[in-house]
Order: sequence, then C-alpha cells, then structure tokens
Amino acid sequence: DSGVTQTPKHLITATGQRVTLRCSPRSGDLSVYWYQQSLDQGLQFLIQYYNGEERAKGNILERFSAQQFPDLHSELNLSSLELGDSALYFCASSVVGGHTGELFFGEGSRLTVL
Amino acid sequence: GESVGLHLPTLSVQEGDNSIINCAYSNSASDYFIWYKQESGKGPQFIIDIRSNMDKRQGQRVTVLLNKTVKHLSLQIAATQPGDSAVYFCAENGGAQKLVFGQGTRLTINP
Repeated sequence: DSGVTQTPKHLITATGQRVTLRCSPRSGDLSVYWYQQSLDQGLQFLIQYYNGEERAKGNILERFSAQQFPDLHSELNLSSLELGDSALYFCASSVVGGHTGELFFGEGSRLTVL
Repeated sequence: GESVGLHLPTLSVQEGDNSIINCAYSNSASDYFIWYKQESGKGPQFIIDIRSNMDKRQGQRVTVLLNKTVKHLSLQIAATQPGDSAVYFCAENGGAQKLVFGQGTRLTINP
C-alpha cells in the first residue's frame, strides 16, 4: 500500500459527459501528480501541483483540468469525454516539488467511455 | 526532443536467471533516472533511481547501470523470481519539472 488513495477505482460513462477523479496523497506529501495510461502504453504526465499551486503541465488536454485543495487532496476533472479518453488515470505524490525522488502511485482510476 | 524508449517490449526469462531490461533516452540534459515496476492491476512502484553523476547503483537484487555516452540505462534483476513478473518502466526527469516515462517492458518468468 503506497498510502495514496484514488477514487473511484472504476468509472463507466458516456461520450460528452464529465467526470471527476479524486486523489488523496500520502500524509505529509505536498506534491500531487496526475498521469494517464492508455492500454499497453506508458505513463503520460498530465499535471503536477505542489502545495496548492500548479507546478508543471504536461500533455493535458484543454478539456481536462485539475486542482489541489488546502487539505492537499487533488481532483482531476475530465469533460466532454471522448472514446479515446478511456484509460487508467494515476495519481502520485511526493514530499518534494521537483522531479527527483520517489513518487508514490495510487492504484489508479479506470475510466471507460462508451 | 524528449523521449524515453525501450529496446524490447517483452522479455521472457527462466526463474532463477538474471534479467536485464534496457532503456534508451534522448535528453542529454536529464540528470535523474528511475525504474518503476507495475504489477497487473496496480500502480507503478519505485524500484531504484540513479543520478547522472553515477554509473551504477545497487539495491536489493537490482542494479541500475547508466551509460551517459550512449544515453542508455539498464536494470538488472538477479535470480529472477515469479514475483518479478511485471511491466518495468524507466523514467527520466525531462526538464520542466516532469518525469518522462518509457513505454515499458513486460517481464515474464518461466518456471
């Protein structure tokens, strides 16, 4: 158990809909990262927050947005969903804000868009 | 540009043998590299990391080798066990505060 909690574990929805994925980082970790993993693909970095502020942005679509709240949990909002958005979405956390050091990953939220 | 790639998408080894998983990277400015293991249905799990000022780093049954001249990274797993079956990802710090992950190598263990 990494200490990172993601909900929901599975989500099935229709095209055009909007969903919110939630992540609670490990206790004490200030950084939260979101990654997308499509079938048999590597992990694509979406966005990083550090202590409530956006720290880095990757290949995140404009239809997607995220935020980190004062209690450090984070939400990833996916809107106007398309079939191609079906993927595993991972949240990771770390103590520090830079990209060195270990990231602790949650078990992911599997999104299926029909 | 930034890219982290793998020489082989799948690797099959006999139980008890050593496994070597390779990874090429293209960003010569990367100064930090990590190997992650992802078991089926789980999130990636940190295995070992290495900074660019090192050529080799050892952990428990694992060794990471870094060749900056040819921009190559490898993960060696000694005495491979059934529990080592997973997808292994290398990642580099691609600048701009983000880790760039490779496509992954699926390691299967034959009894």
